[in-house]
Amino acid sequence: DTGVSQNPRHKITKRGQNVTFRCDPISEHNRLYWYRQTLGQGPEFLTYFQNEAQLEKSRLLSDRFSAERPKGSFSTLEIQRTEQGDSAMYLCASSPFRSSGRTDTQYFGPGTRLTVL
Amino acid sequence: AQKITQTQPGMFVQEKEAVTLDCTYDTSDQSYGLFWYKQPSSGEMIFLIYQGSYDEQNATEGRYSLNFQKARKSANLVISASQLGDSAMYFCAMREATDKLIFGTGTRLQVFP
Repeated sequence: DTGVSQNPRHKITKRGQNVTFRCDPISEHNRLYWYRQTLGQGPEFLTYFQNEAQLEKSRLLSDRFSAERPKGSFSTLEIQRTEQGDSAMYLCASSPFRSSGRTDTQYFGPGTRLTVL
Repeated sequence: AQKITQTQPGMFVQEKEAVTLDCTYDTSDQSYGLFWYKQPSSGEMIFLIYQGSYDEQNATEGRYSLNFQKARKSANLVISASQLGDSAMYFCAMREATDKLIFGTGTRLQVFP
C-alpha cells in the first residue's frame, strides 16, 4: 500500500484527556500537512512540514495542539486537555517537494475521527 | 483574503447524465492552483483534477473536466456520464503561494438510477 495512512481511524475520549494521532505519508514525499474538518465544512489547514521542519502553523492550532515529524517520515499530532470543540475529522496529506515551479498535488489519508465526550 | 465559494449545497443527477458543480474563488495572487476532491462517506479525500492559474487549456481527467474561466474566477467541475459511485461530497480547493489548501464548503452530489 503506497497511500497515506493514519492511525487510529477513530478515537473516542473524555474531555480533558490527551490524544495522539499518527500519519505515515507516501514514501519520499517531503511535505506533510494536517487539516481539521468539522461536520458540514471543508477541511481547514492546521500545519505543515517539509522534512522535519514545521514551516507554518494556523491560528487554529492553539497551545494545546502540537505536531512533530521527528525524522522527516511519519508525523504525530497531539491534543492536550481535549475539549468537546476538538471533535472533528483530522486529515493528513502529503506531497512531493515542489519542483520546476509546478504545483504538486496533496494526497490525503483516510483521516482520524475524534469524538470528545 | 483568499476564499473558495461553492453555492450548491446539493445536486441531483440521473445516471449517465452530465453534471456541473460550481466553484468561484477569490485571490490576489497571480500564481495559484485549483483542485477538486471527492469525499465519499468513508471520509477520505480523493484527488480528481488540477488546474494551474497559468494553464491555458482546461484540465481533463477521464470523465472529469474543469471549466476554468480566469476572468470570472470560476473553476467548475464537469462530470460526464455520471455513475452511481459518483455520489459523494465534492470540494473545490485553492492552493496559494504558502502551499496550504483552502477549501470550499462542498457540494453533495447524488446520482440516481
